[in-house]
Amino acid sequence: AAGVIQSPRHLIKEKRETATLKCYPIPRHDTVYWYQQGPGQDPQFLISFYEKMQSDKGSIPDRFSAQQFSDYHSELNMSSLELGDSALYFCASSSRGSRSYNEQFFGPGTRLTVL
Amino acid sequence: AQTVTQSQPEMSVQEAETVTLSCTYDTSESNYYLFWYKQPPSRQMILVIRQEAYKQQNATENRFSVNFQKAAKSFSLKISDSQLGDTAMYFCAFMKQWNNDMRFGAGTRLTVKP
Repeated sequence: AAGVIQSPRHLIKEKRETATLKCYPIPRHDTVYWYQQGPGQDPQFLISFYEKMQSDKGSIPDRFSAQQFSDYHSELNMSSLELGDSALYFCASSSRGSRSYNEQFFGPGTRLTVL
Repeated sequence: AQTVTQSQPEMSVQEAETVTLSCTYDTSESNYYLFWYKQPPSRQMILVIRQEAYKQQNATENRFSVNFQKAAKSFSLKISDSQLGDTAMYFCAFMKQWNNDMRFGAGTRLTVKP
């Protein structure tokens, strides 16, 4: 079965640079979520989109922005990168129309390292 | 705000034995969902089991079952017949109904010993 795809899997950036993370949800899933997991920490919810509209906002810094496109893929844009942004970034997707609409399927994550 | 507490940072169990991981949460909501996620060394987040708060019956998935005590706001995970592949970090998570902000506990690192 198709899973959530994230690219790139690994990314190394310098401080103050920008980064773009991409997420391709499971086909027919209409909701996308972004999480940040720092070293040794639990995942922190950043933001979510339903049908291309932002649905909920968590602890996403103002330097970050995200959107969901017409094909339902999503991109997380990160500017003015800081050392503390080094983390594993997960994307998850779900289908609001399914019986288990609250079940989120996670991608493999993008490991961002800021030097 | 909702908080999720996992009071056991690390646990270990012998292969084939049973282990229970604890989770408590704090909320004023009446409708919500609870989850246990497994994160093996590969760092992939894998859903183990889910429970709807309006259901009194405890969820079960093969060797995994939960003890959901709504009044006590407790949601423990029991793993029966532990296998080496169960070695992972286990996160308890909470989500309000119609809200996408899922809150995780700090995790319990489980080691299954041969």
